[in-house]
Amino acid sequence: GAGVSQSPRYKVAKRGQDVALRCDPISGHVSLFWYQQALGQGPEFLTYFQNEAQLDKSGLPSDRFFAERPEGSVSTLKIQRTQQEDSAVYLCASSLEAGSETQYFGPGTRLLVL
Amino acid sequence: SQQGEEDPQALSIQEGENATMNCSYKTSINNLQWYRQNSGRGLVHLILIRSNEREKHSGRLRVTLDTSKKSSSLLITASRAADTASYFCATDKTGGFKTIFGAGTRLFVKA
Repeated sequence: GAGVSQSPRYKVAKRGQDVALRCDPISGHVSLFWYQQALGQGPEFLTYFQNEAQLDKSGLPSDRFFAERPEGSVSTLKIQRTQQEDSAVYLCASSLEAGSETQYFGPGTRLLVL
Repeated sequence: SQQGEEDPQALSIQEGENATMNCSYKTSINNLQWYRQNSGRGLVHLILIRSNEREKHSGRLRVTLDTSKKSSSLLITASRAADTASYFCATDKTGGFKTIFGAGTRLFVKA
């Protein structure tokens, strides 16, 4: 594809609801990253995939957060039992090779938990 | 818990002036990258400098890296109103995959 796409672009959830955020990386990109960005802050690393393998999930804030990339392309970030503090923009990025070389970012999903 | 720190937090300049942003980090790195983010958009990669490089240029951008001081600077020359955005430095720890972003410098270029 032309770039990294994310869906939905906006999501409003009631507290306690489960949400699933999708990322379509650039075709053929090995690495995929998820970030959480609070208003006025820089992106915070959540997790990293190299193909289908989740090699680093140290940034996931709690066990309510779960990410997968089962076929090494599309990835889903799932948040269970959402809390108000989960409100943020969730960014996905991909890069051609392993590691954190030049990353191409999607537009993000803006999550608001009421 | 962010590793990178940028300064200034905000910068307002006139079109045509140069803008300098600084970034400091805490651990050994493989490389340092600068990204730009327009309001409400995703990040766009600007330039990458490796740990064994000291200076790099790309168009109106000049990046320096001082690994002894664990710091980097981004210089935008002859700024334009379209350069108005937030600028972030990002680093990855040696041997790791985690990319750490700073809080960013918000640049406003007045026409």
